[in-house]
Amino acid sequence: GENVEQHPSTLSVQEGDSAVIKCTYSDSASNYFPWYKQELGKGPQLIIDIRSNVGEKKDQRIAVTLNKTAKHFSLHITETQPEDSAVYFCAATWGDKLIFGTGTRLQVFP
Amino acid sequence: EAQVTQNPRYLITVTGKKLTVTCSQNMNHEYMSWYRQDPGLGLRQIYYSMNVEVTDKGDVPEGYKVSRKEKRNFPLILESPSPNQTSLYFCASSSNGPGTGELFFGEGSRLTVL
Repeated sequence: GENVEQHPSTLSVQEGDSAVIKCTYSDSASNYFPWYKQELGKGPQLIIDIRSNVGEKKDQRIAVTLNKTAKHFSLHITETQPEDSAVYFCAATWGDKLIFGTGTRLQVFP
Repeated sequence: EAQVTQNPRYLITVTGKKLTVTCSQNMNHEYMSWYRQDPGLGLRQIYYSMNVEVTDKGDVPEGYKVSRKEKRNFPLILESPSPNQTSLYFCASSSNGPGTGELFFGEGSRLTVL
């Protein structure tokens, strides 16, 4: 079945620096790759997604890149702010299912 | 307000005592799903439903049951809870399936089985 690996598991950055979270997937048929942000005590929320016919997508300070050949996709957050501190999950579709990575806890220090 | 509502939010129970976690969405979504979240393991799918009366197993269905008698509701049933089902549970819904767009999550239900 589909497997999604996510790295790193924790990431600490200084406010204003960039943060990058990387994921790899195993099923070349996967065609939809969302990223979710989970704040403390809440459910995950979609922050950005990308489909397999696109290599990069940007929304203000966040961007996602996809390398279909290598089966890699990454989340990039620029000019990080304390409110970016949260757990981030990548995911990939597999048939009717959405398989999540194991999560990255991002801490942004002022 | 569009939302997914889970109840209870917190529950402590004992081994073997049947319990139900309710989930309701007000967005007329076709697709609903249950996940459990455990440290280091991320979100793992328990069961999902593509429509009324249609349910399928996810990756970790053992020890759980679900039903989808109405479009808006998707309860999770633990017939005989065990300590390894202690976890944080999330219900989620989307309009047509996980590959078509945003999955909306509830606030979570933290379950402890003693």
